[in-house]
Amino acid sequence: DAEITQSPRHKITETGRQVTLACHQTWNHNNMFWYRQDLGHGLRLIHYSYGVQDTNKGEVSDGYSVSRSNTEDLPLTLESAASSQTSVYFCASSEGQAGSSYEQYFGPGTRLTVT
Amino acid sequence: AQSVTQLDSQVPVFEEAPVELRCNYSSSVSVYLFWYVQYPNQGLQLLLKYLSGSTLVESINGFEAEFNKSQTSFHLRKPSVHISDTAEYFCAVSDGPRGTGKLIFGQGTTLQVKP
Repeated sequence: DAEITQSPRHKITETGRQVTLACHQTWNHNNMFWYRQDLGHGLRLIHYSYGVQDTNKGEVSDGYSVSRSNTEDLPLTLESAASSQTSVYFCASSEGQAGSSYEQYFGPGTRLTVT
Repeated sequence: AQSVTQLDSQVPVFEEAPVELRCNYSSSVSVYLFWYVQYPNQGLQLLLKYLSGSTLVESINGFEAEFNKSQTSFHLRKPSVHISDTAEYFCAVSDGPRGTGKLIFGQGTTLQVKP
């Protein structure tokens, strides 16, 4: 069965370190998204991609970057981790074909703690 | 710009009672509407969606939602809840068939079903 996976599931890191969170999907979806989830804020979009070599900033992109070198993966990098980036991170994907519903499929999440 | 407002952050209800989780959206274009459910320590799962056609949509586990264009609402209802329905529920909107494919999420409603 097709799926979307994230790794690691839990990560503790120190302020100032670079951290990369992995996201891998086997749906063969064009669109991929990264969100962070914080109490009282719902899900906020960090970055998204409509296909290979395409990346776009979301509403809370400062301090984060992504790259899309193939269809399956969209890693999220925190350039210099800050305590404000302690959060739960979710990756999602959707078809992106004309006429699709844009329904997004979510990974299980990565809980990141920056100390 | 699109936005989603979930009017209740927490909804406590007794088992077998009816429940309504309220969602209002703002958008200047035709929209797709979604309800997602998040069980503890899991990712989001699609509960139901409205794309077009009948304004009443149903899920396989007894939830239903009605798209009301004049009131820009998409409230979620269930006539009799179970303990297992305890979860976080998110309403989301995307900008329709010619849109960007991005989802805008509400802040979430915690449904607490008590025995």
